[in-house]
Amino acid sequence: DGGITQSPKYLFRKEGQNVTLSCEQNLNHDAMYWYRQDPGQGLRLIYYSQIVNDFQKGDIAEGYSVSREKKESFPLTVTSAQKNPTAFYLCASSTVAHYEQFFGPGTRLTVL
Amino acid sequence: DQQVKQNSPSLSVQEGRISILNCDYTNSMFDYFLWYKKYPAEGPTFLISISSIKDKNEDGRFTVFLNKSAKHLSLHIVPSQPGDSAVYFCAARGSEKLVFGKGMKLTVNP
Repeated sequence: DGGITQSPKYLFRKEGQNVTLSCEQNLNHDAMYWYRQDPGQGLRLIYYSQIVNDFQKGDIAEGYSVSREKKESFPLTVTSAQKNPTAFYLCASSTVAHYEQFFGPGTRLTVL
Repeated sequence: DQQVKQNSPSLSVQEGRISILNCDYTNSMFDYFLWYKKYPAEGPTFLISISSIKDKNEDGRFTVFLNKSAKHLSLHIVPSQPGDSAVYFCAARGSEKLVFGKGMKLTVNP
């Protein structure tokens, strides 16, 4: 089965700690994305990557970092510099030539 | 500056009736539009899309209409089913990324 996996589904961290969210896809997509969803805010783009070893900031990149060492993987680190990290995080992927993005199931991060 | 707007936060319809979800955009450079459906605590799933060179696209119970002069698109669901109850996002493609609206909650009552 092709798809996108995100782990874990729920994540709890203490304030001031960095935390890394996993995203893996086996769709052979070149492009990958990280979004954040807050109540009433829709989906906001954090970072995206169109090819391995390259990525660009989205609309709300401050306090986040990413890496793209493999085509299949695009982990997101939520750093202690992110002022409001508690949110629902969604990873997505797409072929470069297509416009539809396929989403993973999401990770709910709660910072205590 | 919100480039994609879903002005109605919610809609409630009876099973079997038509659901019409609206979306407005401000950027005339958007060339592709999509609708996604999302259940709570899950990722969005793609529903239907339309290119800016078309004014209508149909897929089963779902039809998307695009009015470029008005910068408006709508999603029609006929007939509506209780399983359609979810949050619907419209999105527009610009500068190699998607811009999403804030979503609209559809409730289909049996």
